Amino acid sequence: DAGVIQSPRHEVTEMGQEVTLRCKPISGHNSLFWYRQTMMRGLELLIYFNNNVPIDDSGMPEDRFSAKMPNASFSTLKIQPSEPRDSAVYFCASSLAGHSGNTIYFGEGSWLTVV
Amino acid sequence: KQEVTQIPAALSVPEGENLVLNCSFTDSAIYNLQWFRQDPGKGLTSLLLIQSSQREQTSGRLNASLDKSSGRSTLYIAASQPGDSATYLCAVTDDYKLSFGAGTTVTVRA
Repeated sequence: DAGVIQSPRHEVTEMGQEVTLRCKPISGHNSLFWYRQTMMRGLELLIYFNNNVPIDDSGMPEDRFSAKMPNASFSTLKIQPSEPRDSAVYFCASSLAGHSGNTIYFGEGSWLTVV
Repeated sequence: KQEVTQIPAALSVPEGENLVLNCSFTDSAIYNLQWFRQDPGKGLTSLLLIQSSQREQTSGRLNASLDKSSGRSTLYIAASQPGDSATYLCAVTDDYKLSFGAGTTVTVRA
């Protein structure tokens, strides 16, 4: 399997611009997670989907952030408008039937810089 | 709220030495604990997953123990190699949510 695929790998954008990050989970996995990693706060869960339905979005920092999962093989994380403090690495991860008892697989991340 | 702590934050050892990485967590009501490896500029790779009912897991030179009652886990890496240089993170699972430690950055000197 190709693993979790994320795009773009690197993005530099100006403050105020819209940013869309994309994720293709591992085929057959029914749970998808978006995490954000920063030096200050480490890894934080932003949102969790199960069977394409958002289950927990309590980690989404502000209304500027939104995530969708229109089908089992694709998800997006959108930031509009972007701000410099959004600069971070955004990871998508997938697993079978949630975290309990199953290994979670991470993509290689989208490195976002907002200037 | 679950708090996960990893000590030390950084570790440098000569090649061949055994590595001992520590992880502690505040809430013992966990489903499992995972150890991950992260290389610079890369994502996280799962190394070992220990279910809450298990005491340890082994994979090659890696061995992880879990003492749920005391809220501790230890990752042992035997006979370290320069290729083991990376950041190692532990994470505990509470239902679907992983809570991560800040990681231990390991450097193995040739």
